[in-house]
Amino acid sequence: QVQLVQSGAEVKKPGSSVKVSCKASGGTFSSYAFSWVRQAPGQGLEWMGGIIPIFGTGNPAQKFKGRVTIIADDSTSTVYMELSSLRSEDTAVYYCAREVDVTGTTSMDVWGQGTAVTVSS
Amino acid sequence: QSVLTQPPSVSGAPGQRVTISCTGSSSNIGAGYDVHWYQQLPGTAPKLLIYDNNNRPSGVPDRFSGSKSGTSASLAITGLQAEDEADYYCQSYDSSLSGFYVFGTGTKVTVL
Repeated sequence: QVQLVQSGAEVKKPGSSVKVSCKASGGTFSSYAFSWVRQAPGQGLEWMGGIIPIFGTGNPAQKFKGRVTIIADDSTSTVYMELSSLRSEDTAVYYCAREVDVTGTTSMDVWGQGTAVTVSS
Repeated sequence: QSVLTQPPSVSGAPGQRVTISCTGSSSNIGAGYDVHWYQQLPGTAPKLLIYDNNNRPSGVPDRFSGSKSGTSASLAITGLQAEDEADYYCQSYDSSLSGFYVFGTGTKVTVL
């Protein structure tokens, strides 16, 4: 049974960066793609970007290009998402999710528990 | 700014049938990309409910069903139960510059 376990809650200052981790267990890490999705308080889901570990390079959504870096560490089966130049609007719960396949058009069948990031001065 | 539009809320009495629409465009649903649905209970992560338009993952009750036509998709819940009270999101792929995955605006289902 695949599980995704994310790092703990963070409180950050505006202008700083945050790095959230997502460790996969119970499955073949490199065979899948992973996405990052965030949810601001009381708002809907927003896709931020994804990565296919065997290809190495993360692919941020257009909105986040220049601010989001997504990497994968095969040796620890962990995916990371770093968001820079934080502003108050980045306060949200950040989820990692495993995609069903690597086609890039698929669903997300396993989700992490979420990591709350609060940006406040 | 979601590109898939859902009604903000729907409600129904226990046992009733409710449907949630998901309206897209020619760059996502209308282009033939599959639609997936997620259920999010309060304070929890989303859970995959329907994949590839009309398929249920193992463990999802057959009260939930999905369909797709043209630039829209729908999720139906028959025999509504109290535990179905949650937020529901559709998701697809979008081929425009915003790129890749897009989610619907979300629908709150209330069981009266």
